[in-house]
Amino acid sequence: AQSVTQLDSQVPVFEEAPVELRCNYSSSVSVYLFWYVQYPNQGLQLLLKYLSGSTLVESINGFEAEFNKSQTSFHLRKPSVHISDTAEYFCAVSDTDKLIFGTGTRLQVFP
Amino acid sequence: DVKVTQSSRYLVKRTGEKVFLECVQDMDHENMFWYRQDPGLGLRLIYFSYDVKMKEKGDIPEGYSVSREKKERFSLILESASTNQTSMYLCASSPSDRDSGNTIYFGEGSWLTVV
Repeated sequence: AQSVTQLDSQVPVFEEAPVELRCNYSSSVSVYLFWYVQYPNQGLQLLLKYLSGSTLVESINGFEAEFNKSQTSFHLRKPSVHISDTAEYFCAVSDTDKLIFGTGTRLQVFP
Repeated sequence: DVKVTQSSRYLVKRTGEKVFLECVQDMDHENMFWYRQDPGLGLRLIYFSYDVKMKEKGDIPEGYSVSREKKERFSLILESASTNQTSMYLCASSPSDRDSGNTIYFGEGSWLTVV
């Protein structure tokens, strides 16, 4: 069965600084990978996903993630964060017909 | 846009009560899921369903049951609520086509407190 590891439970960062949220998954022949974001008191929203093709995927709000098969990673990055990016971020990997989620990383952006 | 609606955002129930959490999706998705979310544990799958009247146990089904009488509706039932079931419950749905990569869509969540 697939598994997902998010090593950082919390990432504090100042506004306009770059950030990387790490995600590693257990190896498999082919995978689909996802990042979801959860703002306070809300459900999870899809941020971006990798299904096939280009290994670099982008979201509409400036985040990007790169699928690295050799390192079994799918790290999420943003070159300059905003206060409004404060949220919890979940990495997920497909496993047959369902998704397996990591334990989440809380990104806290300070002014 | 896909809409997954959970009927109750906040509930407070007493130990031993029977609790129903209702979820409706409007995109004709075949698959529906119930997760619970707890600090430090992430999302854990309770039950899921591939079709009407079908259900599969997830990772933590103990103390829960589900019902799917109609394609758009998936209910989570706590037969006898206990304090360790205090949590955030998230319903989700997804289409069954492989092109979607199992992308799932979540509701807003239901905060359940058992006292």
